[in-house]
Amino acid sequence: TQLLEQSPQFLSIQEGENLTVYCNSSSVFSSLQWYRQEPGEGPVLLVTVVTGGEVKKLKRLTFQFGDARKDSSLHITAAQPGDTGLYLCAGIYTGGFKTIFGAGTRLFVKA
Amino acid sequence: NAGVTQTPKFQVLKTGQSMTLQCAQDMNHEYMSWYRQDPGMGLRLIHYSVGAGITDQGEVPNGYNVSRSTTEDFPLRLLSAAPSQTSVYFCATRRTSGADTQYFGPGTRLTVL
Repeated sequence: TQLLEQSPQFLSIQEGENLTVYCNSSSVFSSLQWYRQEPGEGPVLLVTVVTGGEVKKLKRLTFQFGDARKDSSLHITAAQPGDTGLYLCAGIYTGGFKTIFGAGTRLFVKA
Repeated sequence: NAGVTQTPKFQVLKTGQSMTLQCAQDMNHEYMSWYRQDPGMGLRLIHYSVGAGITDQGEVPNGYNVSRSTTEDFPLRLLSAAPSQTSVYFCATRRTSGADTQYFGPGTRLTVL
C-alpha cells in the first residue's frame, strides 16, 4: 500500500505561535499539493510544488518540497484564528492520473 | 459559472439499496474523479476519468461504478449499498492530469443503515 503519512494529526496552539506540518512517503511524486478544508466544504488548493527542494511562500505560509520529492512541509508563522482548519497534503504520481492524500492535520488556533 | 456541483447534499440509504451520486462541472475539464473521506483517513480515490468514455479505478473502487458519457457529468453508482460505504463523497475536476489545480465539489454525506 502506498502511503502518505501526515503529522501531527491534531494541533491546538495559541495565536502568534509558529507551527510545522509534515508529509512523508517512501514514494517519489511528480508534484505535491497542499489543501485546506473547512467544515462542510470540499478542499481548496493552497499550493503546488513540483521541483525537488522547491520552496514557495504564501503570505505567512511556507511550503517546501523535499530534494528527493518524497516529503514536504508546511510552516505557518504567527498563526491566527483564521488559520483554523484541516490541512491536507496530496502526492501526485508520475503520469498524473492518481493522487494520494495524507490523513490531514486539524489545526485549531486559539485567540 | 457554477464550478463543480454535487447532488444530493445528504442521503440516507438502507443496506442493499442502490443510488447514484451526481457530479457536474461547467469548466470543460477533461479529468474528473471521485473521492471518499472518512475520519482519520484523508481522501481516498475511488474512480477517475481522463475524458468522455474513459474511466479507471482508483484506490478503493469495490462497490462503486462510474461512467462518463459527456465531459460535464461523472455520476457515481452504488449498486447495493453497505454500511461500510457510509462516508462523505467528493467529486473533483481539473483541466488535465498532473499538477493542475483540482477543484472539489461541496460533497455528499451518505449514511447507510
